[in-house]
Amino acid sequence: AQTVTQSQPEMSVQEAETVTLSCTYDTSENNYYLFWYKQPPSRQMILVIRQEAYKQQNATENRFSVNFQKAAKSFSLKISDSQLGDTAMYFCAFMKHEITGANNLFFGTGTRLTVIP
Amino acid sequence: EPEVTQTPSHQVTQMGQEVILRCVPISNHLYFYWYRQILGQKVEFLVSFYNNEISEKSEIFDDQFSVERPDGSNFTLKIRSTKLEDSAMYFCASSGTQGSYGYTFGSGTRLTVV
Repeated sequence: AQTVTQSQPEMSVQEAETVTLSCTYDTSENNYYLFWYKQPPSRQMILVIRQEAYKQQNATENRFSVNFQKAAKSFSLKISDSQLGDTAMYFCAFMKHEITGANNLFFGTGTRLTVIP
Repeated sequence: EPEVTQTPSHQVTQMGQEVILRCVPISNHLYFYWYRQILGQKVEFLVSFYNNEISEKSEIFDDQFSVERPDGSNFTLKIRSTKLEDSAMYFCASSGTQGSYGYTFGSGTRLTVV
């Protein structure tokens, strides 16, 4: 079974500063995908960034980047130049690679991030 | 940008009643999902659907739950006899591939069972 652990229930950051959210996971799979989703107060789940386990290069999307450490099973999210709109719940999620059929997500318990003006 | 649409946004129902939660996935997507989030807890997988049949379901998805794609457009989740513990946010999602590029989620239906 896959488990995803987010050990920081809440974090805060000053506007324009950088913050890192932690995520670890446990799996026996070799091929898988990792995601960070953002859930603002509107409650919709929005994909922030995605990483393929077989790629060593860390994914980046504008101000968002990850530090993927496959051996350590760690997948942290760095938000640079934090903006007020980044205030949200952030979920780390794991998806194993399936040859056929749909792939489902296993979510962590989330980190509530508050950006302080 | 294409969206996944869920209706209603909030539903209140009496315990023991049947509810149907509706979703319109993105039109060219082939894979569909339901997840739920009990207040303050993590998002949990319920069921995935592909090629007009269930692809996978979790332990939560018992005989009280069913899914249907009745008209090639809508994707519904039915709870036959609601229990208090079914109160949660229910999210529909769809993906064009098997999900490895991530899903597009709807904005959810908040179900309150009283």
